[in-house]
Amino acid sequence: GESVGLHLPTLSVQEGDNSIINCAYSNSASDYFIWYKQESGKGPQFIIDIRSNMDKRQGQRVTVLLNKTVKHLSLQIAATQPGDSAVYFCAEKGDSSYKLIFGSGTRLLVRP
Amino acid sequence: GAVVSQHPSRVICKSGTSVKIECRSLDFQATTMFWYRQFPKKSLMLMATSNEGSKATYEQGVEKDKFLINHASLTLSTLTVTSAHPEDSSFYICSIIAERGSTDTQYFGPGTRLTVL
Repeated sequence: GESVGLHLPTLSVQEGDNSIINCAYSNSASDYFIWYKQESGKGPQFIIDIRSNMDKRQGQRVTVLLNKTVKHLSLQIAATQPGDSAVYFCAEKGDSSYKLIFGSGTRLLVRP
Repeated sequence: GAVVSQHPSRVICKSGTSVKIECRSLDFQATTMFWYRQFPKKSLMLMATSNEGSKATYEQGVEKDKFLINHASLTLSTLTVTSAHPEDSSFYICSIIAERGSTDTQYFGPGTRLTVL
């Protein structure tokens, strides 16, 4: 079936550096994508979203890039902070329902 | 975003007992809620879609008689794990659909850690 996957299961970055978390999706019909942050023992927290009619969207310190040609989604975190340490999931919505398909997650570790 | 609460946050029960988990939407009327389970270091797995005033829709492989869902109001959905066994131990998370600009998106609760002894 359709799936969303991530290239890197764990990413370690130095505090202050920029982080890039990648995600590949396989359903070309998906029209909405979301990045969630999940800290240990907590529920996923909405970070940023993007619709398929956009290539880029910026938030506070975060940017999501969407490349529909290669079905690739990325999350960029500027000036990574210790509080950014978490597992990050991408999710896609591919049809008329509200169901989301989640990727396998990337753990971000921020070194002091 | 929307605020979603879950109760309890942690529960430990004996094998064979039933456990009820509540999911509340605090600032949105949620006609649709979702229930997920998550194993350690794994992604979220959708269990069922909870529909206010009607039966829940279960994903393939999820036992509806095992995981009872009730969505009696626009702010409350409950998940009851019946005759719980150790293999039901997991992190259960609910979500609601709420408007975000021109898009509806999912906002998640804090999760409930279930441990079955």
